[in-house]
Amino acid sequence: EIVLTQSPGTLSLSPGERATLSCRASRSVDSSYLAWYQQKRGQAPRLLMYGASSRATGIADRFSGSGSGTDFTLTISRLEPEDFAVYFCQHHGSSPLTFGGGTKVEIK
Amino acid sequence: EVQLVESGGGLVQPRGSLRLSCAASAFTFSNYGMSWVRQAPGKGLEWVSTISATGLTYYADSVNGRFTISRDNSKNTLYLQMDSLRGEDTAVYYCAKCAGSGFLFYYMDVWGKGTMATVSS
Repeated sequence: EIVLTQSPGTLSLSPGERATLSCRASRSVDSSYLAWYQQKRGQAPRLLMYGASSRATGIADRFSGSGSGTDFTLTISRLEPEDFAVYFCQHHGSSPLTFGGGTKVEIK
Repeated sequence: EVQLVESGGGLVQPRGSLRLSCAASAFTFSNYGMSWVRQAPGKGLEWVSTISATGLTYYADSVNGRFTISRDNSKNTLYLQMDSLRGEDTAVYYCAKCAGSGFLFYYMDVWGKGTMATVSS
């Protein structure tokens, strides 16, 4: 099983600031099978990124993803008020499918 | 607009059963794998089960032997039969569309709003 560890657990930032979220896999994975999801309070998750660096339909270009092997990063270049949420990474290249524990991006 | 609407959640006693449904619309349901993902109160996301477009089924170890995933392509509906329920099964259950026909290698590109299942005496 691929274990995904996200850090930090909580990120306290102000609107306009840059957010950098980390997702570390317990062993090397194919970046093609690394996705990111955003979940706002009381809502369902929404696909943000797939293939580690491809934005899903309708996702603003302030969101970007990068990484390979065991280390992946989601970057939000300038935080907008609607970006304060919880972000999960997911590996879907082997069974069981696994999610990271999440990073909460909160308003400072 | 592609839409998934879950139903069937509720309060059930330990060792009881519950059947969740997920009604899909605005896409060719039979062409895609479909998954259930759950989220315990205040916790993260946990994959539960996936059924491929061809009907192959896959389960997390935590539910294998107790839960059964199925689909009715004529009704564009996904199901999750949950038996022998335990307190740790208490969660919001989300239905999600896979981006392709299979199980592995496909991320989840559309999610429903979820339905809450509470297991308690």
